[in-house]
Amino acid sequence: KQEVTQIPAALSVPEGENLVLNCSFTDSAIYNLQWFRQDPGKGLTSLLLIQSSQREQTSGRLNASLDKSSGRSTLYIAASQPGDSATYLCAAPSGGANSKLTFGKGITLSVRP
Amino acid sequence: GAGVSQTPSNKVTEKGKYVELRCDPISGHTALYWYRQSLGQGPEFLIYFQGTGAADDSGLPNDRFFAVRPEGSVSTLKIQRTERGDSAVYLCASSLTGLAGARGAQYFGPGTRLTVL
Repeated sequence: KQEVTQIPAALSVPEGENLVLNCSFTDSAIYNLQWFRQDPGKGLTSLLLIQSSQREQTSGRLNASLDKSSGRSTLYIAASQPGDSATYLCAAPSGGANSKLTFGKGITLSVRP
Repeated sequence: GAGVSQTPSNKVTEKGKYVELRCDPISGHTALYWYRQSLGQGPEFLIYFQGTGAADDSGLPNDRFFAVRPEGSVSTLKIQRTERGDSAVYLCASSLTGLAGARGAQYFGPGTRLTVL
């Protein structure tokens, strides 16, 4: 059974800092891993999907890496801004071709002006 | 193009009542997923459709929950005899395919907040 852990649960940083959000998963037989952003009272916005054949994926100031062997993924946010304040969730699929996702509880990020 | 849409955005009902929640996926997406999210938790998988058929319903908590997707597009999640513990945000997602590659990236709707009094 896939289990996804995100620690810490909350993080507060001053504007401009580079930061790393961590995600660990137990079943490394995954085809991809997806990072999402969730604003309060809203649905999930897909940020990045990393395929198992990739080690990194970049979109603007965001960079996600995947290390299947260690069961870890990181989301790097460069030059953080107050608008980055949200909850960030990582999700790993169950083994096999079925891509139903198991989510972590998320990391609530607050970027102080 | 339009994203995933869900209606209603909010639903308040009384314990014991029946509710239907609707999901309209991204056009052309063959896979559709329902998740449930409680406060402070990540979403939990309920059911996955590939086309018209339920490919995996292992996340449905009990037989009060049922979902359909009769024409392979819009899906309805149905909850009978609602209980207070059913209160949560119900999220729908769709993906181009149900395979776990790049085309399996899931895109979520805004959710329906269900409150059972």
